Amino acid sequence: GAVVSQHPSRVICKSGTSVKIECRSLDFQATTMFWYRQFPKQSLMLMATSNEGSKATYEQGVEKDKFLINHASLTLSTLTVTSAHPEDSSFYICSASPGTDHQPQHFGDGTRLSIL
Amino acid sequence: GQNIDQPTEMTATEGAIVQINCTYQTSGFNGLFWYQQHAGEAPTFLSYNVLDGLEEKGRFSSFLSRSKGYSYLLLKELQMKDSASYLCAPMDSNYQLIWGAGTKLIIKP
Repeated sequence: GAVVSQHPSRVICKSGTSVKIECRSLDFQATTMFWYRQFPKQSLMLMATSNEGSKATYEQGVEKDKFLINHASLTLSTLTVTSAHPEDSSFYICSASPGTDHQPQHFGDGTRLSIL
Repeated sequence: GQNIDQPTEMTATEGAIVQINCTYQTSGFNGLFWYQQHAGEAPTFLSYNVLDGLEEKGRFSSFLSRSKGYSYLLLKELQMKDSASYLCAPMDSNYQLIWGAGTKLIIKP
């Protein structure tokens, strides 16, 4: 159980393109989803916490208008990187939690984004 | 502030036992998670401790001492596939996981 699906797994696109990443909880309802970014050999960096039916909570330094998050249902959250630039190239990973406080976060497989 | 201290890298031999230590400081505490992350992949959940003591799950065991702000992950009968980074992630008072850079474990034949 506790499967999280993330799509696409890899994106290569030109600078200025907007990229949408989907995160789905397949066998549980996720009241809370998390979006992380990870650069090579560095720790996971939380970008935002997404709660179903309400606005996402962004971490300090993360631009809301750049990284649009939508959590429209209990099984789907999307991250859109708007007008992506080479410095946005990274490994983006989502995770989902059933919402009960002591439950682990279960991660999607991640999306490797490369902006040319 | 909040921080996590783990060794950056460890090396062990196939078939042996290795212990990865973690000390942490958080604003409040709601348990500690261990995750495994292979290179280029997302983390996968290994264990969760909220009370003091040892939790055993197959070849992997995790220990917690809340008073010392200390945990360890014990891996037995090491296999080559255990080569990965191991992330110690305590949960703070806001139920948010705090992430460090993890420990890269290298298994040699």
